[in-house]
Amino acid sequence: QLQLQESGPGLVKPSETLSLTCSVSGGSISSSSYYWGWIRQPPGKGLEWIGSIYYTGSTYYNPSLKSRVTISVDTSKNQFSLKLTSVTAADTAVYHCARSGYYVRYFDYWGQGTLVTVSS
Amino acid sequence: EIVLTQSPGTLSLSPGERATLSCRASQSVGSSYLAWYQQKSGQAPRLLIYGASSRATGIPDRFSGSGSGTDFTLTIRRLEPEDSAVYYCQQYGRSPETFGQGTKVEIK
Repeated sequence: QLQLQESGPGLVKPSETLSLTCSVSGGSISSSSYYWGWIRQPPGKGLEWIGSIYYTGSTYYNPSLKSRVTISVDTSKNQFSLKLTSVTAADTAVYHCARSGYYVRYFDYWGQGTLVTVSS
Repeated sequence: EIVLTQSPGTLSLSPGERATLSCRASQSVGSSYLAWYQQKSGQAPRLLIYGASSRATGIPDRFSGSGSGTDFTLTIRRLEPEDSAVYYCQQYGRSPETFGQGTKVEIK
């Protein structure tokens, strides 16, 4: 059974960089059939797709966040990571990692999510 | 980007009743590139439906999806207490992938 688990600091100061890692188990991140993505959910609000990465390192991002986002992959560790720069309180959210298909990009496996609070 | 509008915001129904949830797109999402998710409190979203009408693995046949183009529907027959959740639609026909704002289903 595929499992995804997010990890990283739960508190980030304004203007700093949010960094999270998603560890994948029960399957290979190097599969040619999938993208690996990040989705966030502010408390009490809806879902926002941040961006996704293929095992080769090819990425695509939500234009609304593109200037601040970098997603990278480490196939040797079966992990992928998110960096979001210059954070503000508006970036406070539960951050989920998830898997989508290469051609059909709905998300079939999700991590439980990790709450990141932006506060001084 | 494609904006998805879900209605109603909240649906309050009794066990055994039928729930009908709507998702309308600001433009066509292409060849039925629409998914539905269920999110219970404190949990990750769970994929219910993809391709507008195909049930994901392990999803009971009480859940069904329909629609194409810009108008989509999720129907839940014979509601059970465990169906209490927020339901989101997501389009993946055109990047950026976008989600609706959700419909909350309450079981009386």
